[in-house]
Amino acid sequence: QVQLQQSGPGLVKPSQTLSVTCAISGDSVSSNTAAWNWIRQSPSRGLEWLGRTYHRSKWYSDYAVSVKSRININSDTSKNQFSLQLNSVTPEDTAVYYCARQQLDPWCFDYWGQGTLVTVSS
Amino acid sequence: QSVLTQPPSASGTPGQRVTISCSGSSSNIGGNTVNWYQQVPGTAPRLLIYSNNQRPSGVPDRFSGSKSGTSASLAISGLQSEDEGDYYCAAWDDSLNGWVFGGGTKLTVL
Repeated sequence: QVQLQQSGPGLVKPSQTLSVTCAISGDSVSSNTAAWNWIRQSPSRGLEWLGRTYHRSKWYSDYAVSVKSRININSDTSKNQFSLQLNSVTPEDTAVYYCARQQLDPWCFDYWGQGTLVTVSS
Repeated sequence: QSVLTQPPSASGTPGQRVTISCSGSSSNIGGNTVNWYQQVPGTAPRLLIYSNNQRPSGVPDRFSGSKSGTSASLAISGLQSEDEGDYYCAAWDDSLNGWVFGGGTKLTVL
């Protein structure tokens, strides 16, 4: 059974960096048949895919156009986890952030983390 | 504004059948499979339907999905009170090179 456990601060000041980590159990961040995603949800923007990282003989990352200039998703194989960093945040980045596993087959998000509410406020 | 279009709300009485639509374009639904997620307030979305019409283990066969062209639908038959929640469609978008979601449909069991 795959489990994704999120951790990270719930309050970030404007212009600072938002960081959330997702620890994986029951699978490997280095799996060649999965991708590890970050998705956020807010009343104004609904569900919004932010990006993903995956390993296929080397590491790859894809990012949503809306955050491409401010985002980094990286992995830590020693801890079997992956992390989201979002720079230069504004109150518009206030949302619940989810990590999720995406399988190659089927092509869907089959496991989700519990969600982390991050509020951007001074 | 979400890339995929869903009605904001749907409702039905216990035992009824309800359908939720999801409209997209050739770059997403038209060329890729559609997944549906159910979300109860305060919890993470849960995979309900994948690959247009497949149910993960544990999902009752009251839930079914279909796709035609650039639109997809989720049908719930034998509606039950525990089906209340928000439902989202999702698909990969080849033009955006990323996942896109519908705005969600709030289902109320009257």
